[in-house]
Amino acid sequence: AQSVTQLDSHVSVSEGTPVLLRCNYSSSYSPSLFWYVQHPNKGLQLLLKYTSAATLVKGINGFEAEFKKSETSFHLTKPSAHMSDAAEYFCVVSGMVNQGGKLIFGQGTELSVKP
Amino acid sequence: NAGVTQTPKFQVLKTGQSMTLQCAQDMNHNSMYWYRQDPGMGLRLIYYSASEGTTDKGEVPNGYNVSRLNKREFSLRLESAAPSQTSVYFCASSYGGQPQHFGDGTRLSIL
Repeated sequence: AQSVTQLDSHVSVSEGTPVLLRCNYSSSYSPSLFWYVQHPNKGLQLLLKYTSAATLVKGINGFEAEFKKSETSFHLTKPSAHMSDAAEYFCVVSGMVNQGGKLIFGQGTELSVKP
Repeated sequence: NAGVTQTPKFQVLKTGQSMTLQCAQDMNHNSMYWYRQDPGMGLRLIYYSASEGTTDKGEVPNGYNVSRLNKREFSLRLESAAPSQTSVYFCASSYGGQPQHFGDGTRLSIL
């Protein structure tokens, strides 16, 4: 069975400083992993995905994540935070395609960006 | 492209009332999903449909029914609404093992 744990429920950074949102996963097979972002009163938007190709994955808006199998981690980073990055971020692991491609969500990390 | 469209965007119900949430996608995706989002719990899968004509229970199916009307449309029905079903409901769709695309949500309050 798969599961995902986001280690911080809330992260606060200053504009222009680095962002680190931590995620650990558990999976009985090689997983597909995603990060989604949700701005207030909006749906979820895909930031990036890992599907067993390169372990360093680049996404939209300057975000990237590194898949580390030995640490079962998939942390999200950005070198320099922008005010528009303030949102909730979800780390997600995907079930197998023959299980309908179900997604298992972490609890979410709310990112605040201070001016 | 519209992507995934959910209606209505907001709804207030009284306990015991019934309601159907509508979802349509225009991306020719095979799979469709209904989630609920509650504070501090991420999104939890209610039901999904891997392909037209099939539906399966997710993590929290109790109190809900679904209909995959055709390839485009996947509706979620609350037969007798309860306050515990106050939540934000998201519909999503995907093709094969590709990431899911989400609608903007339906905010449902049950008094």
